[in-house]
Amino acid sequence: AQSVAQPEDQVNVAEGNPLTVKCTYSVSGNPYLFWYVQYPNRGLQFLLKYITGDNLVKGSYGFEAEFNKSQTSFHLKKPSALVSDSALYFCAVRDTPGGYNKLIFGAGTRLAVHP
Amino acid sequence: DAGVIQSPRHEVTEMGQEVTLRCKPISGHDYLFWYRQTMMRGLELLIYFNNNVPIDDSGMPEDRFSAKMPNASFSTLKIQPSEPRDSAVYFCASSFLRGETQYFGPGTRLLVL
Repeated sequence: AQSVAQPEDQVNVAEGNPLTVKCTYSVSGNPYLFWYVQYPNRGLQFLLKYITGDNLVKGSYGFEAEFNKSQTSFHLKKPSALVSDSALYFCAVRDTPGGYNKLIFGAGTRLAVHP
Repeated sequence: DAGVIQSPRHEVTEMGQEVTLRCKPISGHDYLFWYRQTMMRGLELLIYFNNNVPIDDSGMPEDRFSAKMPNASFSTLKIQPSEPRDSAVYFCASSFLRGETQYFGPGTRLLVL
């Protein structure tokens, strides 16, 4: 069965420093991977996805993610963090390759960016 | 496009009452998903539809929960009777066939007293 793991409940980073939010996955077949962000009292917003192609995927708000097949990872990164990036981040994998669009979400990682 | 629309945004009710949550997906989307989010259990998929047909309702917690999608532009999630443990934020999301990306609504914050 497809699954994702976000090993960190919370990540703390100083404003201006690079940030990384980790995600590892387990899939059969080729992975379809996603990152979403949730700001307080809001719904989840799509950031970026990996389907195929370049291992470095660029998304919204200056975020990018690196797909690493050998390490089965899809870590979210940003070169310079902003206080406004503070939010809850979810990694997700599509459940059935070639099938329905059901996503399996990780538990989420809370990112806190300090001034 | 207005995005996924959910109503009401907030609902406070008493235990035993019926609760109906509503969702309007993005026009043209073939899939509709209902999720529940709590601090304890995180984000849970309750049920999803493809072309108005329920595909997987294995996440529905019990018979008190039901969902319908009478047409491509409207879905409801009903809880009858409601219980305090149903208090959560309920999200609706939609996506295109083969589009993979799900677009979420703002959620309905439900409090059952």
